[in-house]
Amino acid sequence: AQKVTQAQTEISVVEKEDVTLDCVYETRDTTYYLFWYKQPPSGELVFLIRRNSFDEQNEISGRYSWNFQKSTSSFNFTITASQVVDSAVYFCALSEVSSNTGKLIFGQGTTLQVKP
Amino acid sequence: DAEITQSPRHKITETGRQVTLACHQTWNHNNMFWYRQDLGHGLRLIHYSYGVQDTNKGEVSDGYSVSRSNTEDLPLTLESAASSQTSVYFCASSESTQSYEQYFGPGTRLTVT
Repeated sequence: AQKVTQAQTEISVVEKEDVTLDCVYETRDTTYYLFWYKQPPSGELVFLIRRNSFDEQNEISGRYSWNFQKSTSSFNFTITASQVVDSAVYFCALSEVSSNTGKLIFGQGTTLQVKP
Repeated sequence: DAEITQSPRHKITETGRQVTLACHQTWNHNNMFWYRQDLGHGLRLIHYSYGVQDTNKGEVSDGYSVSRSNTEDLPLTLESAASSQTSVYFCASSESTQSYEQYFGPGTRLTVT
């Protein structure tokens, strides 16, 4: 069965620290997509990244980086030199091609608090 | 700029009343989705639509219905509101099914008393 697990419910760091948010997924599909979304205190959901199952290249975007490892079914998200504005709930999500629905299966979210 | 809007942003209603939450997108996306967000559950899919006149049930569809009469709108109706339906509701749209990201509206916080 498909499932996304974000084992870290809450993380608290001090500004400028690096922090990694874990995401582990389960799927029987060989073709799937993984996503990260950010939900700041204002409540909206902001798309951060999409990765397909055939592309295991790590990605870096400014202070954000993503590590996709099929061997461990993980898609972890690292924020380098965290800032107070990074405080938010972060969701990892999975979309399976075989379901043909386009629905996103979300993890429970990790609340990140960055203290000044 | 294209966007996706939801109204109302906040709603308080009584048990048993019918409630409709509006969702409007100007992306011209065929695919639209409704999710609910509850603590400890992340977001769960209620209904989705691939185009005009198409609607499909998600994993938590009981007590909800949708209709799609045009590309831009997918209203969500709670037929007889229950306290268990107190939640934050998000509408989303996407260009394609699996491979494209979904863009989310700002959410509607619904309280059923």
